[in-house]
Amino acid sequence: GEDVEQSLFLSVREGDSSVINCTYTDSSSTYLYWYKQEPGAGLQLLTYIFSNMDMKQDQRLTVLLNKKDKHLSLRIADTQTGDSAIYFCAERGGNKLTFGTGTQLKVEL
Amino acid sequence: DTEVTQTPKHLVMGMTNKKSLKCEQHMGHRAMYWYKQKAKKPPELMFVYSYEKLSINESVPSRFSPECPNSSLLNLHLHALQPEDSALYLCASSQDRWGEQFFGPGTRLTVL
Repeated sequence: GEDVEQSLFLSVREGDSSVINCTYTDSSSTYLYWYKQEPGAGLQLLTYIFSNMDMKQDQRLTVLLNKKDKHLSLRIADTQTGDSAIYFCAERGGNKLTFGTGTQLKVEL
Repeated sequence: DTEVTQTPKHLVMGMTNKKSLKCEQHMGHRAMYWYKQKAKKPPELMFVYSYEKLSINESVPSRFSPECPNSSLLNLHLHALQPEDSALYLCASSQDRWGEQFFGPGTRLTVL
């Protein structure tokens, strides 16, 4: 399958912005997703972007897509302690999702 | 009802036991999925059902047996598991095979 890479760890202060990055390799991906997973829980769909879009904003979340570089990012504005979790990007190729390696976000007071 | 439910939340079983995991959704979704997730790793797809028919089996060992009795229910029957099968088992559903997937809370399985 295709590899979807993320940095393993990100630490931010409460109130700052967080930017989580994702690099994918399948240029035929149609949709790209961001999921959040809190400890011991399932995956929560946060947002998604269609491959012909550059940007999508949803309240505190902003998704940027650079299709030329196959780079996806998730910006969380005014990060709160409740945002501490693992964040997975995922690309849809055909009818299967390929998940990124996951980024653990730690929010410090 | 906009959620996927899974039972049990936790399961401990021996290598000779037979058990089943259950997943249910009432969103009218016609695709359902089983994933296996090890700690700090991304979910790995195991099976996909579309319109109650198995459409994808990701070369999963036969000790895992999926079943889709109707469009709302998905089971995973477990038999003769190994300790390395211990993981979080996640169920998901989507409108169809191409829609966004919604996940249940998972079953934490421990094989002794």
